Amino acid sequence: DTEVTQTPKHLVMGMTNKKSLKCEQHMGHRAMYWYKQKAKKPPELMFVYSYEKLSINESVPSRFSPECPNSSLLNLHLHALQPEDSALYLCASSQVGTAKETQYFGPGTRLLVL
Amino acid sequence: QQQVKQSPQSLIVQKGGISIINCAYENTAFDYFPWYQQFPGKGPALLIAIRPDVSEKKEGRFTISFNKSAKQFSLHIMDSQPGDSATYFCAAPRASLGGGTSYGKLTFGQGTILTVHP
Repeated sequence: DTEVTQTPKHLVMGMTNKKSLKCEQHMGHRAMYWYKQKAKKPPELMFVYSYEKLSINESVPSRFSPECPNSSLLNLHLHALQPEDSALYLCASSQVGTAKETQYFGPGTRLLVL
Repeated sequence: QQQVKQSPQSLIVQKGGISIINCAYENTAFDYFPWYQQFPGKGPALLIAIRPDVSEKKEGRFTISFNKSAKQFSLHIMDSQPGDSATYFCAAPRASLGGGTSYGKLTFGQGTILTVHP
């Protein structure tokens, strides 16, 4: 099974709301990633978790708060977002090892901030 | 500097034709070059990848050609089909250290929207 699942598929939130995105994989991968993708643009890396610890934060604003409660789950907590944060949020996972490990992406959560 | 330049931005091909997408990179530390395919409403999926110690890799109708001296690599889709219509991203990961482990930090090209007309 090479599936990464993400919920919800779509999310609409106001600028004062608090919401969470969820990601799950059962491939035994110990590296998990959050990407942001704007329309007609490539995915941009936001965060990387390795063995459930935050390894990289690509200078993401604090209104985005990641969490990795266990080796299969990855959350992204959202608070006080701006309209420009509207995008497709992608989760990915891979083996931890060399840089050549394939990253498997989920279908994404399409977020609209009003 | 991590940068991967991809062209063209969009490509229209007739069914049965050859689709060619090009990428150029600057960082000679890159040592693995994957291509990802993304359909509307889906996340990217690995299509094919090449290492710089080979000049060509073929998987079915998809071929990567690699020119190390020119720091360029390209994706060729033979006998293009309407089902190949998607956005294609070249990428180059660079090993990084975080928390004492290595992982692939992907640098994506800007993407090519391929449309194959029936």
